[in-house]
Amino acid sequence: EVQLVESGGGLVQPGGSLRLSCAASGFTFSSYAMHWIRQAPGKGLEYVSAISSAGGSPYYANSVQGRFTISRDNSKNTLYLQMGSLRAEDMAVYYCARRYCSGGSCYSAYDYWGQGTLVTVSS
Amino acid sequence: DIQMTQSPSTLSASVGDRVTITCRASQSISSWLAWYQQKPGKAPKLLIYKASSLESGVPSRFSGSGSGTEFTLSISSLQPDDFATYYCQQYNSFPPTFGGGTKVEIK
Repeated sequence: EVQLVESGGGLVQPGGSLRLSCAASGFTFSSYAMHWIRQAPGKGLEYVSAISSAGGSPYYANSVQGRFTISRDNSKNTLYLQMGSLRAEDMAVYYCARRYCSGGSCYSAYDYWGQGTLVTVSS
Repeated sequence: DIQMTQSPSTLSASVGDRVTITCRASQSISSWLAWYQQKPGKAPKLLIYKASSLESGVPSRFSGSGSGTEFTLSISSLQPDDFATYYCQQYNSFPPTFGGGTKVEIK
């Protein structure tokens, strides 16, 4: 069974840092690009960042470019999001998600999501 | 970035009703569109990919159609478990972008 379990969320002051983790199991983690998507309280979904299966080619939303860093450790089946210079508008539930694959190709829609971890930015 | 616009934002319906949700893209996305269902406190669940392909395990009362810039998600006979918020998402170009959501409420 595919499982994605996020951790690391919590309360942080504006300007602070936090590292999120996403532990994957039930599939060959090293074969899939992975994404972070967030959802502010009562709001819609927003793409945050992506990383290739091998750990290269990181992509970031303009809203987090230069402040967030995505990485992965395929030996530990874990995805990370290092968040810095946090702002009130970064407050959200952060989900890790797996790209879906069909017919030998993979696409940036998501067939498995974690349960999410809440990041609260407040003084 | 490609903008995705969903309508309506809220929909009130009864069990057994047929409901349709519309999603429009600001430019052509071919058929690279997904639909998700989200319930309060839960992660989104993939329902439809490539505009009309039903994800494994999703009931056949859900269907998707469209191409280019206009898409629809239909539920043929609304069930109690279907009251939720639905999102469309384009993956034709980076970054992937989502519609604002449609909340399906009990009438």
